[in-house]
Amino acid sequence: TQRLEQSPRFLSIQEGQDFTARCSSSTTFPQLYWYRQVPREGPVILVTLVKSGEVKEQRRMTAKFGEARKNSSLFIARAQPGDAGIYFCTGDNTGNYKYVFGAGTRLKVIA
Amino acid sequence: EAAVTQSPRNKVAVTGGKVTLSCNQTNNHNNMYWYRQDTGHGLRLIHYSYGAGSTEKGDIPDGYKASRPSQENFSLILELATPSQTSVYFCASGDAGTGEQYFGPGTRLTVL
Repeated sequence: TQRLEQSPRFLSIQEGQDFTARCSSSTTFPQLYWYRQVPREGPVILVTLVKSGEVKEQRRMTAKFGEARKNSSLFIARAQPGDAGIYFCTGDNTGNYKYVFGAGTRLKVIA
Repeated sequence: EAAVTQSPRNKVAVTGGKVTLSCNQTNNHNNMYWYRQDTGHGLRLIHYSYGAGSTEKGDIPDGYKASRPSQENFSLILELATPSQTSVYFCASGDAGTGEQYFGPGTRLTVL
């Protein structure tokens, strides 16, 4: 059974602080995806990781995929109130487009 | 304009009643998904589809049926709604090439 564990589950930080969300599994995933969800909306794709050891940087965000394809991290520098929301990792290791989501990291940014 | 739309956005149903949630996508994606979201569980896959006429069971299909009559439309059907099905339901279309999914705004269902 696919399973993705995320940590921390909740985090409250001051504006300007850095934030790291982590995602891990006991099984390997060919790709991992990070999404962000704000209240009363569906999740929105942030980044897709497809290569072992991959690092993707987008403005203040850095996403990493572990060498063994079992873990990933999402780092956001100098968090702003607009970064608040729930961050989910997801992937499919069945090859059947059947995705499992982690429980999410809920981020609050205090201005 | 929004590429994945859901209707209704809010629904109150009675126990034992039939509920149909509808989803429409204009992304021309073959794959479509229905998830439910409950506090502490993230999103859990109920049913998904590879294209018109196809429906597949996800991780929590019991009590739900799905219908994919066309590329654009994917419905979730609760034949006999129960209070345990009170939740927020999300539909998504999926790009088979990248695996990325595009979500609708959700339907908040309350079963009394």
